[in-house]
Amino acid sequence: KAGVTQTPRYLIKTRGQQVTLSCSPISGHRSVSWYQQTPGQGLQFLFEYFSETQRNKGNFPGRFSGRQFSNSRSEMNVSTLELGDSALYLCASSPTSGGTNTGELFFGEGSRLTVL
Amino acid sequence: GEDVEQSLFLSVREGDSSVINCTYTDSSSTYLYWYKQEPGAGLQLLTYIFSNMDMKQDQRLTVLLNKKDKHLSLRIADTQTGDSAIYFCAERQSSASKIIFGSGTRLSIRP
Repeated sequence: KAGVTQTPRYLIKTRGQQVTLSCSPISGHRSVSWYQQTPGQGLQFLFEYFSETQRNKGNFPGRFSGRQFSNSRSEMNVSTLELGDSALYLCASSPTSGGTNTGELFFGEGSRLTVL
Repeated sequence: GEDVEQSLFLSVREGDSSVINCTYTDSSSTYLYWYKQEPGAGLQLLTYIFSNMDMKQDQRLTVLLNKKDKHLSLRIADTQTGDSAIYFCAERQSSASKIIFGSGTRLSIRP
């Protein structure tokens, strides 16, 4: 069974640009969560999608948005990029909202975004 | 608040035990977790504990939960070089069924 796939793995953007990151969950998983990982802040919850609906949202500005498609693939978008958006963006999937019955999340390897 | 807090760094000698500590804030959390992140990789679940348990042991790993103090710890016995990684504590909040992570503890092993 293929794991969670994130693309692209690495990208470089400049301030003011926008970026779209993609996440393909494990087959059969309907929930996709996004996290931002930075050295100082650790893992910050961005949002969770389940069956194409946003179920939970973290404390990020409106420049951060996401969506989920009918095949459970998800994208997140960051507009008007700032230097502080440089981070590793991790996607995690699970069969149901909020993780498996025991809450386990299955993570991809992440997309590393550098904003210059 | 929904903070999960951990110390950032821990250094231990190979063969010694490592103890990584974590405090959380949501007293109604149902599950608490330890995830491991190796360099260049995503996070992988190491172990978890249900909130009505005090302790869970799984081979070299021992998880202790103190609900009164909202304190969780992970003990790794006989620490090996392959245990070098970042360890994240996380809680599943019952109110929103979302999983909140701490900032991670970077464990380094010295010979």
